[in-house]
Amino acid sequence: QKEVEQDPGPLSVPEGAIVSLNCTYSNSAFQYFMWYRQYSRKGPELLMYTYSSGNKEDGRFTAQVDKSSKYISLFIRDSQPSDSATYLCAMSGGSNYQLIWGAGTKLIIKP
Amino acid sequence: EAGVVQSPRYKIIEKKQPVAFWCNPISGHNTLYWYRQNLGQGPELLIRYENEEAVDDSQLPKDRFSAERLKGVDSTLKIQPAELGDSAVYLCASSTRQTGELFFGEGSRLTVL
Repeated sequence: QKEVEQDPGPLSVPEGAIVSLNCTYSNSAFQYFMWYRQYSRKGPELLMYTYSSGNKEDGRFTAQVDKSSKYISLFIRDSQPSDSATYLCAMSGGSNYQLIWGAGTKLIIKP
Repeated sequence: EAGVVQSPRYKIIEKKQPVAFWCNPISGHNTLYWYRQNLGQGPELLIRYENEEAVDDSQLPKDRFSAERLKGVDSTLKIQPAELGDSAVYLCASSTRQTGELFFGEGSRLTVL
């Protein structure tokens, strides 16, 4: 069993829909949770960064962490075709260089 | 401000040939990472530098992979000899101690025939 599980998709939704992306993990020591967005043939870029449990909102993006269930989510409201990318979750116990990555979910937003 | 610069973007070689990748991190970023990303997977850390010191190379296949970061700035990752299974995207990233956020380059896509 991998430390971080993420459905690879692809997930295809119509423009304007609310998107929910998720990761589960097994290591209860994880405290830092990140979502990266990766466009085709580009490197990942940090989208959201959350410490411990709770919610964090940034524009159309909301990150949620439920440590009791070992489950994290990324919600995208009013999805746009430009949101089409692969979304990677990453997490660590104490410092960013020890990031454990999910496999990424490919998201397709249809105009 | 320039981002992380990597070269070459694409490289096709035959197995058993050597290959080298170069990375120039963001100015002032003391931490540099080399990752390998296979298709449909997340990045896998190969090596992490703090300035010129390799502080985590536990995942680097040392029989064929080597890396260096001279003067704590640019870095080179070398594979010799390359194997078919080395086909992947090699990503370089850099960060500062203050924020810890990783900034990635566009990657070097290696195909070994």
